[in-house]
Amino acid sequence: AQTVTQSQPEMSVQEAETVTLSCTYDTSENNYYLFWYKQPPSRQMILVIRQEAYKQQNATENRFSVNFQKAAKSFSLKISDSQLGDTAMYFCAFMNYMEYGNKLVFGAGTILRVKS
Amino acid sequence: DAGVTQSPTHLIKTRGQQVTLRCSPKSGHDTVSWYQQALGQGPQFIFQYYEEEERQRGNFPDRFSGHQFPNYSSELNVNALLLGDSALYLCASRWKGAGGYEQFFGPGTRLTVL
Repeated sequence: AQTVTQSQPEMSVQEAETVTLSCTYDTSENNYYLFWYKQPPSRQMILVIRQEAYKQQNATENRFSVNFQKAAKSFSLKISDSQLGDTAMYFCAFMNYMEYGNKLVFGAGTILRVKS
Repeated sequence: DAGVTQSPTHLIKTRGQQVTLRCSPKSGHDTVSWYQQALGQGPQFIFQYYEEEERQRGNFPDRFSGHQFPNYSSELNVNALLLGDSALYLCASRWKGAGGYEQFFGPGTRLTVL
């Protein structure tokens, strides 16, 4: 079974600064995706960024980028130029896309607070 | 294009009662998954429906059951409610086709069991 660990329960950052959220995972699979989801107080879970395990290049989406270290099973999220709207709970998630059903396995989450 | 919708938004029940939660997937999506998110925790996979059948199930008791209708909407039923069933229940939909790995989430139903 896969597990996802987020070791930072809470983080805070000043507006316009950069913050990195950590995530490690455990799997014996080779074919998987990794995701970062954002859940603001409105509760709507929103996909921030995804990474295919077979790709060596780190994914980037505007101010969001990842550091994917496959051998170390590490998948951190870097948020640049933090904005007040980035305040939310962030979840790291794993999907074995060869598994029937493709369920998501989530970490416990990191609360990020952006301060003005 | 409407996203994933869920109803009701909030629900209060007492122990032993039964509850039904509803989900309408995003247009063009045919696969629906349900997740339970306890307060301060990450979502836990309950089960997934495709072609009106349960395709995969997480580690949840038989008190949790579901259904998918021909229009791809889905229901989650929980019988004999326990205090520990209090949580945010999230529905997620996706397209079964190649590359349809992204799951789109609804806003959730907050269930409180007293």
